[in-house]
Amino acid sequence: NAGVTQTPKFQVLKTGQSMTLQCAQDMNHEYMSWYRQDPGMGLRLIHYSVGAGITDQGEVPNGYNVSRSTTEDFPLRLLSAAPSQTSVYFCASSWRLAGADTQYFGPGTRLTVL
Amino acid sequence: EDQVTQSPEALRLQEGESSSLNCSYTVSGLRGLFWYRQDPGKGPEFLFTLYSAGEEKEKERLKATLTKKESFLHITAPKPEDSATYLCAVQARNNDMRFGAGTRLTVKP
Repeated sequence: NAGVTQTPKFQVLKTGQSMTLQCAQDMNHEYMSWYRQDPGMGLRLIHYSVGAGITDQGEVPNGYNVSRSTTEDFPLRLLSAAPSQTSVYFCASSWRLAGADTQYFGPGTRLTVL
Repeated sequence: EDQVTQSPEALRLQEGESSSLNCSYTVSGLRGLFWYRQDPGKGPEFLFTLYSAGEEKEKERLKATLTKKESFLHITAPKPEDSATYLCAVQARNNDMRFGAGTRLTVKP
């Protein structure tokens, strides 16, 4: 099992550009989520999905879109990048949302917006 | 609002010097409290889940405990390879997930 994979590992964007961060898992997990991690702050939930076709907003959803067309993939789209979106982005997955299930994290994407 | 505070922000220990990391939380109905380890440039790696006050879990040199307001991660006789950032997170009954900012642990040989 590859676990949770993320691409790219690093990305530099200019303000106003759009891009998609890719996330895939091969564990057949129902629940997938996106977090951002900023210095001095905890991981903050952006969006999550409880299964294919179902997504919902987390704590900091503005400026990001998600979709979940398959169980395996959960891409995160930045519509018009802003410097405030400079961060490290982590994707995570778990068997289910309820029941305080263990989340498995990907290696992260380091994004810089100039 | 659900909140998680970890202390200290950074901790430097000598090899073999035991200590504890603190995670204080306020949450509207605790579904679970998690401890993760994060190495530089990598994603968090799961360590423990605690569900109710009084629960304890151990793994090698690490032991996690839980009360109604806080959790401790005790590190016994740490080694340099235990150096990492340790993250605490709580999941509320409404499934809201909140992480603390972490404690950066350095263990010197």
